[in-house]
Amino acid sequence: EDKVVQSPLSLVVHEGDTVTLNCSYEVTNFRSLLWYKQEKKAPTFLFMLTSSGIEKKSGRLSSILDKKELFSILNITATQTGDSAIYLCALANAGGTSYGKLTFGQGTILTVHP
Amino acid sequence: DTAVSQTPKYLVTQMGNDKSIKCEQNLGHDTMYWYKQDSKKFLKIMFSYNNKELIINETVPNRFSPKSPDKAHLNLHINSLELGDSAVYFCASSQDDRFRYFGPGTRLTVT
Repeated sequence: EDKVVQSPLSLVVHEGDTVTLNCSYEVTNFRSLLWYKQEKKAPTFLFMLTSSGIEKKSGRLSSILDKKELFSILNITATQTGDSAIYLCALANAGGTSYGKLTFGQGTILTVHP
Repeated sequence: DTAVSQTPKYLVTQMGNDKSIKCEQNLGHDTMYWYKQDSKKFLKIMFSYNNKELIINETVPNRFSPKSPDKAHLNLHINSLELGDSAVYFCASSQDDRFRYFGPGTRLTVT
């Protein structure tokens, strides 16, 4: 069964700090890895990573995938209170009965204090 | 315009009751999903429908029955509610099976 493990489970920082969130996975047929941000309501899409070593960037957020070591990181620089959220990592499987299914990690709860 | 909408947003009910949650998407997507997020924040797939056809049916009790009257709607009916059903239920849709557009969630509390 596909497995996604995120660490840390929770993180408390102050505005301006840089944070690194980790996501490691086990999968039989890797298709892509996705990051979502969940504030009070629905998760919203951040990044999709398919290839190793290619950094995806959006403002202060960036993410990279290592398919050899089976992990991804999400970096947030110069954090702001608005970055406080649950960050979810999800794995898309390419094969068999798991095709089309996203397996989510348990999330990292990030709290940014002013 | 809301892309994926769910009603109700909050649902408080007693054990043994039957309830429904409705979901609608106006994105023209072919695939819709139901996810359950428990108190530990794990998001788990329950069902997915593609063009009104059931594609994914995870290990979910028979008390949960999805219904898709058309490809823009996927409703979730729950019979004989139990305490353990308390969670946030998210509807989602996608065109690419990797992306998900999530609805705002329905917080179900069973007392």
